[in-house]
This record gives sequence, structure tokens and C-alpha cells, in this order.
Amino acid sequence: QVQLQESGPGLVKPSETLSLTCAVSGYSISSGYYWGWIRQPPGKGLEWIGSIYHSGSTYYNPSLKSRVTISVDTSKNQFSLKLSSVTAADTAVYYCARTEGDSSGYYLGYWGQGTLVTVSS
Amino acid sequence: SYELTQPPSVSVSPGQTARITCSGDALPKQYAYWYQQKPGQAPVLVIYKDSERPSGIPERFSGSSSGTTVTLTISGVQAEDEADYYCQSADSSGTYLVFGGGTKLTVL
Repeated sequence: QVQLQESGPGLVKPSETLSLTCAVSGYSISSGYYWGWIRQPPGKGLEWIGSIYHSGSTYYNPSLKSRVTISVDTSKNQFSLKLSSVTAADTAVYYCARTEGDSSGYYLGYWGQGTLVTVSS
Repeated sequence: SYELTQPPSVSVSPGQTARITCSGDALPKQYAYWYQQKPGQAPVLVIYKDSERPSGIPERFSGSSSGTTVTLTISGVQAEDEADYYCQSADSSGTYLVFGGGTKLTVL
């Protein structure tokens, strides 16, 4: 059974970098699939942040691309998110998920439970 | 940027049929997916590839597609179906994932 678990600071200061890690169990990242991050501001909708393949190739939401870096550590079976120059608008629940499908459509089949990150001084 | 449009809210009485639409220009080229999200929980996939139902999802959930609009239909709505529903697809190249704004389903 595939399980994902987010971890990282729950409070980040404005202008600093938000860093989160997603630990995967029940499946080896090296075996395939894209692995992604999604966020949800309090009371608002879902926003896809980006995805990474085990080889390291990445796709980012164009609206966040200048501030986002997603990396993968296959030896630890985990992947990470860094979001720079954060503001209060980046306050959200951040989810990690396994991206499944093919060129005709990708979806998020397995999700972590989510972690709330608040940007505040 | 590419957008998917959903109605903000839909209300139905128990036992009735709820229909939630999602519109987007690339939907004829890219499959749509539907997620159910209850308060404090992660989203759960309820429909994939426009109309397929994952194992464990009740048969009352179904999906359909027509041109630039996809529809999630919940037949015989139950109180437990009250939740936010999100459609998700990708841009025409299949590179970027996009979510609709979400629809709050209220069971009266």
C-alpha cells in the first residue's frame, strides 16, 4: 500500500524559503511515476505546484515556476519542495501525491494527509 | 493560463441526482478527473479518464464528457456525499495539471 507523508516547518517567515519533504513508503520512487506537490490555501481551492520524475525531470506551474524547486532523493525514497520568497499568500495546506497516467491525462492517485504551512513573522 | 470552470455550489435533497459541470477548452484533448474532499481530509479520486470509477467508489458516482464540458453525476445522493468536488485535467500539451475552482455540494 502506497503511503506518503509530508514533513517540515509549520511556520515560515515572510521572504524566507519554505521547505517540505515527502516520504514515500510501500513503493520505490525509482520504479517510476511522477511525484508532485499541491497546495490549498485555507478555505480555497486546490493548486498544482509541480511534479518530478525519479530521473529528476520536472514540470512546474508557470505561475510559481520562478520560485519553486522540486528535487528527489531516491536513496531515501523521498522528494522535496522548496518555495522561495514566501508571502502570506503562500499560507496553505501542502499535499504531496503520486502522479499517474499518461500523455492523454495525468491525475493524482495517492495523496499525503497534508501539512499546514503558515507564513508569518 | 489554462482554466477549468465549475459552479461554486450545488444543492440537492437526499435521493435526488446531483450534476456538477466542469468546462475547459482542452477537455476534448485531455481526460478529466474528479476528486471528493471532505473537511480536514485529503482529496479522494472518484472518477478518472472522464467516466471510469476507481475500485471502492460507489456506483452512484458517474462521469461523462461532451465537447469542452465534463460532468460528475451523483445519483441517489446521500448525506455522506456532502463535500467539495474538484475537477482536474491538464493543458492541451499534457504538461501542466490544472484544477477547477471546486464545487460545494450541499445535501439539504
